[in-house]
Amino acid sequence: DGGITQSPKYLFRKEGQNVTLSCEQNLNHDAMYWYRQDPGQGLRLIYYSQIVNDFQKGDIAEGYSVSREKKESFPLTVTSAQKNPTAFYLCASSRDSSLYEQYFGPGTRLTVT
Amino acid sequence: GESVGLHLPTLSVQEGDNSIINCAYSNSASDYFIWYKQESGKGPQFIIDIRSNMDKRQGQRVTVLLNKTVKHLSLQIAATQPGDSAVYFCAEKESARQLTFGSGTQLTVLP
Repeated sequence: DGGITQSPKYLFRKEGQNVTLSCEQNLNHDAMYWYRQDPGQGLRLIYYSQIVNDFQKGDIAEGYSVSREKKESFPLTVTSAQKNPTAFYLCASSRDSSLYEQYFGPGTRLTVT
Repeated sequence: GESVGLHLPTLSVQEGDNSIINCAYSNSASDYFIWYKQESGKGPQFIIDIRSNMDKRQGQRVTVLLNKTVKHLSLQIAATQPGDSAVYFCAEKESARQLTFGSGTQLTVLP
């Protein structure tokens, strides 16, 4: 099965802790993306990566960090500096950054208390 | 149509009727538009896309219409089925920038 996997589906953390969300794709896509979704709102771009070992900030990068050491993997770390981390996080990929259709993973719901 | 805020616009249709979901976009330089469907607790799924050099594109049971003059996009779903109940997002893109998503419209199909 080709696709994008995100794990875990639900994640709970205490305030002040960093947490890393996993995103893996076996579609051989060059570009990968992280979005945040809050209730009743659209998706907001956190970070994106057009190629291995390269990534750029999106619209709401503060309090987040990423790495892209492998083509298949684009983990997102939600740091303690993120003021309001509770949200639904979505990872996506596209064949390359010039192609616009993005394929999404199932999402991780993060709750920080 | 879609709007920014905490309360999603809603659309209720009878099963078997046609649905029309509207989206107003803001960037006149956007040259690519895409519709996604998102079921509760899941990631968005691609439905259909359209480039700015077109005004209509058809897929299986879906049609997207683009009116660049008034910056309006619509998604038409023919013979709406219960499985079509979901939140529908439009997204726009200007060539050098990333996708910008609308806030979505909740479609409910009534039996």
